[in-house]
Amino acid sequence: QVRLVESGGALVKPGGSLRLSCVASGFAFSEYYMTWIRQAPGRGLEWISHISGRSIFEDYGDSVKGRATISRDDAKNSVYLQINNLRADDTGMYYCVRLHLRQLMLPDLWGQGTLVTVSS
Amino acid sequence: IQMTQYPLLLSTSLGDRVTITCRTSRDIRGNLAWYQQRPGRAPNLLIYSTSTLQSGVPSRFSGSGSGTEYTLTITSLQAEDAATYYCHQLQTFGPGTTVDI
Repeated sequence: QVRLVESGGALVKPGGSLRLSCVASGFAFSEYYMTWIRQAPGRGLEWISHISGRSIFEDYGDSVKGRATISRDDAKNSVYLQINNLRADDTGMYYCVRLHLRQLMLPDLWGQGTLVTVSS
Repeated sequence: IQMTQYPLLLSTSLGDRVTITCRTSRDIRGNLAWYQQRPGRAPNLLIYSTSTLQSGVPSRFSGSGSGTEYTLTITSLQAEDAATYYCHQLQTFGPGTTVDI
């Protein structure tokens, strides 16, 4: 079955750190760009970071640049997002998303999301 | 790139025809997608490259447009179409249009 399953979301105090994980199944994971997209409560979708297959290229949105690190382990069909110095506005649902193989930067498969809450 | 959508809220009825518009701050040459997000669920790809229907998406959904203006049309609205719809280009999403039935 083609799917993405996230984990690692938690309640974290401001200034803390978190590592989100996503396990893929049912497709040739190493060939795909992967991305993390988040959604603050009641708000829209924000592109956080993406990484190419085989970790050749990665990029970050301005809101997490310098605080986040995306990585992947193709042998484990997994992608990760580490965010440090968490702030209240990092609160939201974090989706692990696969990007289309042939259409540039097109999310085509979403996980169910993992919830991050930053609060004291 | 900046993306705007209108309307932001649509109050509709079953069987209605619905049109949502997405406007971009520059010509994106047809590289536009639409996503549906039902309450409590992850977004789902409906349409890409302006008008290409993703596999499994009902034919009552269609897309059109060019340059800086694009539309998503839903004909004969069904109950399961109650959702928020987002346009998307590269790493940017529009603000979303909520369709309330």
